[in-house]
Amino acid sequence: EVQLVESGGGLVQPGRSLRLSCAASGFTFDDYAMHWVRQAPGKGLEWVSGISWNSGSIGYADSVKGRFTISRDNAKNSLYLQMNSLRAEDTALYYCAKAYTAMEYDAFDIWGQGTMVTVSS
Amino acid sequence: EIVLTQSPGTLSLSPGERATLSCRASQSVSSSYLAWYQQKPGQAPRLLIYGASSRATGIPDRFSGSGSGTDFTLTISRLEPEDFAVYYCQQYLQGLTFGGGTKVEIK
Repeated sequence: EVQLVESGGGLVQPGRSLRLSCAASGFTFDDYAMHWVRQAPGKGLEWVSGISWNSGSIGYADSVKGRFTISRDNAKNSLYLQMNSLRAEDTALYYCAKAYTAMEYDAFDIWGQGTMVTVSS
Repeated sequence: EIVLTQSPGTLSLSPGERATLSCRASQSVSSSYLAWYQQKPGQAPRLLIYGASSRATGIPDRFSGSGSGTDFTLTISRLEPEDFAVYYCQQYLQGLTFGGGTKVEIK
């Protein structure tokens, strides 16, 4: 079964850091770009960051650039998001998503169930 | 950044009716880089349409996508009870952005 399982979310104070993980299974992980998408409570979807299959190309939304770092470990079939200098507006459900093809920017055909990040003092 | 504007914000319809959802881009995304998703409460989004008009695996044929350039449409030919949800468009020509969503609710 094709699956993405996120972990690492939680309650964190403003200015602190958190690292999210996404474990992939059921497909050839290193054939696809991977992405993080977030959804604030009651709001729409916001693309956060994406990484190509070989980590050669990486992109970030302006809202997180300089604070978040995406990475992947193909040997472990895992995707990561290091989030530093967290702000209240980063509070959201963070989804890991698989690109539909080998294209770096693509539709997302597989999504995890998300991990909640709450930034509050 | 390409901005996607979805309309209407909410669509109130009855089961069996036809739903027409609009997504307008601030600049052209051609006909190959536009996707549609369905999201139900408490669930992750589900890919419905990619490349503006191609149905994803397992998506019923009552869902169809059309359009090119800056204007795109998702049509649900006859609403089933399970189709009442929020729908998002997404462009992936230039970076990645989502529209604000259209909620399809039961009238």
